[in-house]
Amino acid sequence: QSALTQPPSVSGSPGHSVTISCTGTTSDVGGYNRVSWYQQPPGTAPKLVIYEVSNRPSGVPDRFSGSKSGNTASLTISGLQAEDEANYHCSSYTTNSTWVFGGGTKLTVL
Amino acid sequence: EVHLVESGGGLVQPGGSLRLSCAASGFTFSFSDMNWVRQAPGKGLVWLARINSDGILRTYADSVKGRFTVSRDNAKNTLYLQLNSLRVEDTAVYYCTRQGEYSFPYWGQGTLLTVSS
Repeated sequence: QSALTQPPSVSGSPGHSVTISCTGTTSDVGGYNRVSWYQQPPGTAPKLVIYEVSNRPSGVPDRFSGSKSGNTASLTISGLQAEDEANYHCSSYTTNSTWVFGGGTKLTVL
Repeated sequence: EVHLVESGGGLVQPGGSLRLSCAASGFTFSFSDMNWVRQAPGKGLVWLARINSDGILRTYADSVKGRFTVSRDNAKNTLYLQLNSLRVEDTAVYYCTRQGEYSFPYWGQGTLLTVSS
């Protein structure tokens, strides 16, 4: 199972929006609405911020939103804050009843 | 509050074996599917294995199938990962996660395994 494709890095200014893409295949991202996103500041464990494409767990700000079109899922963070600076990882359930992650994207808040 | 604490990491020589543990508390462990995920230094997350609540169903990533074995002891609220025939490229932080329906809402702090001679 090949890793999902994410851009290595994105950046944005405080108050602006950024979008991180996550591209897979019809065997994972495109085949199911089972994409999740994780935020991971350096040196910490990942934290779930989006599940099942567009749902936010309790406590995650509504500045975080998710969507999907075909084989590509996206995480959008609006109203960027300094505390959003972290690595972001996407994940998808697959047709093999396994999971696959992306390579991770480093978000820099300028 | 859900609490997951991994242990058992350390320095191992190539070809060696190790068993990682994950002690769970704050939820009904015996009702929960559990997974292992790892992260090599400076790299992304990699899903390794899943075990269902009663330990009957186990699924593995192709990259570790035949070398790693996931197991659990519901009486001890503990998840395990047996790692055999270790390679330098297995060096990583290993996380245990409590599975949601199709995501991972709960993670431990991770345990570092270094494979080196």
